[in-house]
Amino acid sequence: QSALTQPASVSGSPGQSITISCTGTSGDVGGYNYVSWYQQHPGKAPQLMIYEVSNRPSGVSNRFSGSKSGNTASLTISGLQAEDEADYYCTSYTSATTRVFGGGTRLTVL
Amino acid sequence: QVQFVQSGAEVKKPGASVKVSCKASGSTFTKYAVHWVRQAPGQRLEWMGWINVVNGNTKYSQKVQGRVTLTRDTSANTAYMELSSLRSEDTAVYYCARERTITDGFDMWGQGTMVTVSS
Repeated sequence: QSALTQPASVSGSPGQSITISCTGTSGDVGGYNYVSWYQQHPGKAPQLMIYEVSNRPSGVSNRFSGSKSGNTASLTISGLQAEDEADYYCTSYTSATTRVFGGGTRLTVL
Repeated sequence: QVQFVQSGAEVKKPGASVKVSCKASGSTFTKYAVHWVRQAPGQRLEWMGWINVVNGNTKYSQKVQGRVTLTRDTSANTAYMELSSLRSEDTAVYYCARERTITDGFDMWGQGTMVTVSS
């Protein structure tokens, strides 16, 4: 199972919006609405930010939103803040009942 | 407050095995899955497998299939990941994570266990 494709890095200024894409296949992202997104700060465990494509867990800011079109899911962060600087990973359920992560995206807040 | 508490760092020689534990602190095992995810230094997250804590059913990634064994002890509220025939590329932080249902994502993570494979 190949990793889902994410851009290696994205950047934005405080207050701006950014979008991170996550491209898979019909056997994972495109076939199921079981895509989730995680934020990981250096040296820390990942934290769930979005589940089931577009749902936010309790306690996650509404500046984070998710969507999906075809084989590509997206995470959008609006009103960028310094604390959003982190690595972001998508993951999807697969037709083999496994899970697959994306390659990760480093977000830099300029 | 429910949390997953993992065992401490390990240093192993190539060819050896390692067993990492993940204890549900503050609650008992209920109806969910425990997934194992690893992250080599400076690298991406890699999914390894999952275990249903109720019936013990497991599923592994093709990459580690045959070398990894996931088990659980419901009386101890603990899940285990054992990786055998260790090689240098297995050096990584190993995480356990909870998935309550297939739609929920991994909503709770352990703190991670560093496993170093070195001769």
